[in-house]
Amino acid sequence: QKEVEQNSGPLSVPEGAIASLNCTYSDRGSQSFFWYRQYSGKSPELIMSIYSNGDKEDGRFTAQLNKASQYVSLLIRDSQPSDSATYLCAVNSFTSGTYKYIFGTGTRLKVLA
Amino acid sequence: NAGVTQTPKFQVLKTGQSMTLQCAQDMNHNSMYWYRQDPGMGLRLIYYSASEGTTDKGEVPNGYNVSRLNKREFSLRLESAAPSQTSVYFCASSEAAAGRHEQYFGPGTRLTVT
Repeated sequence: QKEVEQNSGPLSVPEGAIASLNCTYSDRGSQSFFWYRQYSGKSPELIMSIYSNGDKEDGRFTAQLNKASQYVSLLIRDSQPSDSATYLCAVNSFTSGTYKYIFGTGTRLKVLA
Repeated sequence: NAGVTQTPKFQVLKTGQSMTLQCAQDMNHNSMYWYRQDPGMGLRLIYYSASEGTTDKGEVPNGYNVSRLNKREFSLRLESAAPSQTSVYFCASSEAAAGRHEQYFGPGTRLTVT
C-alpha cells in the first residue's frame, strides 16, 4: 500500500514565524510532489509543486524535496493568520498507464496573531 | 476561465435514492478524477479517467459509477445511496504533459444521505 504520511497537528506558530510542514512517502517511484492548502469547508488549492531534488521557492513558500530520504517539506516564511488551514501533501506516480495521486491526511496549521 | 466546476454544491438524499454529480473543466485537461473526503481519512480516489473514452476504478469504487461524457465532462452516479456515502465529493483534473502534472480541484459537493 503506497502511503503518504503527515503529522495531523495542529501545528501552532506565532505570526511572523516560519512554519515547517513535513511529509514522507513510501513509493520510491513517485515522480511529482505537491502541496495543497485547504481552508475549512473549501476545496484543496494547489500552492506548490516540485519535481526534482532541492528547494523551490515561490514568494513566502519554499518546498524541499529529498528523494533519497523520501521526504518533502513546506516552509512558510512570515506566517500570517490567513495561512491557518490544513496543508495536504500529495505524490504522483505513473502506474497502469496513468498518473495517480496519493494524498496525506493533512497537517492543520494555526498561526497565532 | 472557470477551472473545474461541480454541481450541485449541496445535496440531501434518502437511503436508496439515486443522483448524479456533475463535473466540468475548461482547461483542456486529459485526465479527470473523483475523490471523496471524510474526516480523518483524507482524499480517497473513487474513479478516474485518464483520457476521453476511458474510466478506471480507484481505491473506493463500490456503490458508484462514472461517465466520461466528453473531454470536458466527467459525472459520478450513485445508483442507490447509502448513509456510508455521506461525504464531500471533489472532482479534479490534470494535464499529464511532460513535466507538468498539477491537479486542480472543483469546489466540491457536500452530500448527506439519511
